Amino acid sequence: IAGITQAPTSQILAAGRRMTLRCTQDMRHNAMYWYRQDLGLGLRLIHYSNTAGTTGKGEVPDGYSVSRANTDDFPLTLASAVPSQTSVYFCASRQQPSSPLHFGNGTRLTVT
Amino acid sequence: QKEVEQDPGPLSVPEGAIVSLNCTYSNSAFQYFMWYRQYSRKGPELLMYTYSSGNKEDGRFTAQVDKSSKYISLFIRDSQPSDSATYLCAMSGSGGNTPLVFGKGTRLSVIA
Repeated sequence: IAGITQAPTSQILAAGRRMTLRCTQDMRHNAMYWYRQDLGLGLRLIHYSNTAGTTGKGEVPDGYSVSRANTDDFPLTLASAVPSQTSVYFCASRQQPSSPLHFGNGTRLTVT
Repeated sequence: QKEVEQDPGPLSVPEGAIVSLNCTYSNSAFQYFMWYRQYSRKGPELLMYTYSSGNKEDGRFTAQVDKSSKYISLFIRDSQPSDSATYLCAMSGSGGNTPLVFGKGTRLSVIA
């Protein structure tokens, strides 16, 4: 079934550790996005990529980095995790600017 | 004023009721309007997608957009316990790769 695969589904991480959340899509969508979802704050955009080789900052980019080496993969890296990065992280993609987003099922991250 | 306002609920209704979910927005450039449904521990899934003003119906779901009032609605007829979820509105403009702006979501419970 075509869609977005995120890994891991959940993770407990010690503060200060480095972590990469993986996201792969098989729909050949041009644009990809990383959101975090927190109770009371909704979905907030971290980083995005409009096409392979380009990335941009969203609303809450600090402490996160991304790369887009090819169309299918869009990993999100936390260089040195902090407890405030405890959240559910969603990867999403869309084919063109007017298209709706397709979401993965998320990675639930706890930083202790 | 936030760009998109959505009452977080929770909203609890009996099975068979008509449900009305709403969002208001401030950016008159928004042209594309979406409703997503999110079950617990899952990613948001697209429910309805409309362009500009008007109504769109899909089974028990009707989406309405009133651009003059900057107000969008989702109606659910004959609500079922399986409709219990969080509903998020989202919208974007037509210029370039502008990311979607999301409401914070309304939590709905349909009681059998």
